[in-house]
Amino acid sequence: NAGVTQTPKFRVLKTGQSMTLLCAQDMNHEYMYWYRQDPGMGLRLIHYSVGEGTTAKGEVPDGYNVSRLKKQNFLLGLESAAPSQTSVYFCASSRTQGYTFGSGTRLTVV
Amino acid sequence: TQLLEQSPQFLSIQEGENLTVYCNSSSVFSSLQWYRQEPGEGPVLLVTVVTGGEVKKLKRLTFQFGDARKDSSLHITAAQPGDTGLYLCAGAEGNQFYFGTGTSLTVIP
Repeated sequence: NAGVTQTPKFRVLKTGQSMTLLCAQDMNHEYMYWYRQDPGMGLRLIHYSVGEGTTAKGEVPDGYNVSRLKKQNFLLGLESAAPSQTSVYFCASSRTQGYTFGSGTRLTVV
Repeated sequence: TQLLEQSPQFLSIQEGENLTVYCNSSSVFSSLQWYRQEPGEGPVLLVTVVTGGEVKKLKRLTFQFGDARKDSSLHITAAQPGDTGLYLCAGAEGNQFYFGTGTSLTVIP
């Protein structure tokens, strides 16, 4: 079982560049989430989706956009990367209780 | 605003020792979860507790949800090196879970 797959695993961006992080799940889960994890800050919710075609803002949405065109995919976009967006990004999905997380994307913005 | 406080932040113990980590909040949660995260990986769900006062056991791990559903504890008996990792608690509000900053546990062989 693949579960939740995130691509890429590592990326280095220059300030001002854009990129898209892809999350794919094969468990037919309705809910999908994007978190960032920073030292001393824990996991903070960026955006989430409760179903295909729907998205909502989380705790730290500024500088990010998301799309959920297909139920199995949840994309996170950075339009103009900033050094403050250097972090480890995790995607998660769930049906009712309990998240299944991907293995993360380590993003460095220089 | 950090809704969940975890303590201790770091813990290093010898193999075979017992330990307890805590997760506290001023908020009431409909449910609370514990995850373990290993370096370079995403968190993995260990348990969900729903009812105030609930106790769940998973082999050597015992989880308790406070009566008021504001706090929780994780007790590990006879810790093993394989228990090493970051332990995260997460409280549910609506569709979202709010995570604590975690307890980093190292079990020394």
